[in-house]
Amino acid sequence: KAGVTQTPRYLIKTRGQQVTLSCSPISGHRSVSWYQQTPGQGLQFLFEYFSETQRNKGNFPGRFSGRQFSNSRSEMNVSTLELGDSALYLCASSQYPGQYNSPLHFGNGTRLTVT
Amino acid sequence: AQTVTQSQPEMSVQEAETVTLSCTYDTSENNYYLFWYKQPPSRQMILVIRQEAYKQQNATENRFSVNFQKAAKSFSLKISDSQLGDTAMYFCAFMNLPWDDKIIFGKGTRLHILP
Repeated sequence: KAGVTQTPRYLIKTRGQQVTLSCSPISGHRSVSWYQQTPGQGLQFLFEYFSETQRNKGNFPGRFSGRQFSNSRSEMNVSTLELGDSALYLCASSQYPGQYNSPLHFGNGTRLTVT
Repeated sequence: AQTVTQSQPEMSVQEAETVTLSCTYDTSENNYYLFWYKQPPSRQMILVIRQEAYKQQNATENRFSVNFQKAAKSFSLKISDSQLGDTAMYFCAFMNLPWDDKIIFGKGTRLHILP
């Protein structure tokens, strides 16, 4: 079974631009969550989607948004990029959210660099 | 707010030795899940071991075991017979509510296994 797939793996953008990151969960997984990883702040929860509905959102500005499609694939969008948005963005999927027997499986992440 | 603290930013041990990584957390909830994740240079977060808070028995997974002290809010990871492949960043993590994939991570401990 294929793992969680994130594309692209690397991305370089300029301040003010917008970016879209993609995440394909493991087949059969319906929950997708996103995390931002930076050296200073560590891993921070962005948001979580289940059955195309955003169920939880972290403490990030409105420039960060996401969505989930009917096939469970998810996209994350960041508008008006700032230098501080440079980070590794990790996507994780699970069969059912918050279930001990349904652990999160992470992708390899997208490394976003904002110049 | 829940927090997870890892007091050891970096550790080094010789191959085949035993090493213990510390983690404390803060929550007012009674039922929650705790995890240790490993992040090697490939960037993918890999679940090492997990523990349900209402279970008194400490979880074990092959060479990995935890010492869960609920009253002290402590959740340490012991790696026995350490191997070069154990070199990675290790994150202690906390999941509060069921039906939710929001995980709170500690800042991580960088572990070096020396040949």
